[in-house]
Amino acid sequence: EDQVTQSPEALRLQEGESSSLNCSYTVSGLRGLFWYRQDPGKGPEFLFTLYSAGEEKEKERLKATLTKKESFLHITAPKPEDSATYLCAVRSNSGYALNFGKGTSLLVTP
Amino acid sequence: DSGVTQTPKHLITATGQRVTLRCSPRSGDLSVYWYQQSLDQGLQFLIQYYNGEERAKGNILERFSAQQFPDLHSELNLSSLELGDSALYFCASSGTGLASETQYFGPGTRLLVL
Repeated sequence: EDQVTQSPEALRLQEGESSSLNCSYTVSGLRGLFWYRQDPGKGPEFLFTLYSAGEEKEKERLKATLTKKESFLHITAPKPEDSATYLCAVRSNSGYALNFGKGTSLLVTP
Repeated sequence: DSGVTQTPKHLITATGQRVTLRCSPRSGDLSVYWYQQSLDQGLQFLIQYYNGEERAKGNILERFSAQQFPDLHSELNLSSLELGDSALYFCASSGTGLASETQYFGPGTRLLVL
């Protein structure tokens, strides 16, 4: 059975203090690993898709990387507007559904 | 704005009742997915429709059902509601081919069962 574990559950950073969020996964045939951002009471907003180990994608202050067992979301010099819950999900070769982790709640203070 | 719309935004009802949640996918998307998000379980896949046909089922209770209409909008029906059904319900849509890889989520419907 596919499993996705995100750590830490919560992270508090000062503005400008870079850090990384972790997503460990177990899946039978990875079809894709997805990162979403979710603001309170809103729907998840798509950030990145990664398909194979070694792949990296960047968007503004965010950079996602993928290995065979985990993915990292690196946040460089974060700003308060980066505060949100970041969700990781995997899709296996056997289906179309996304299997989500429970997320990392990020708070960036000025 | 993802282009996926959901109505209503909020729904308050009583145990034992039945409700219908509605979703319109992004223009051109043939797939619709329904997810439930509760505080303890996180986002859980319920069901997927593709061009009117059921394609995949997840942890969907027998009290819940869904359908996708010819105009591609979808409805999720929840019946015999229990307190534990209180959650955020999200609809997502995706395109075809390579575009089917990414699911775009709507703003959700917050259901409160009293």
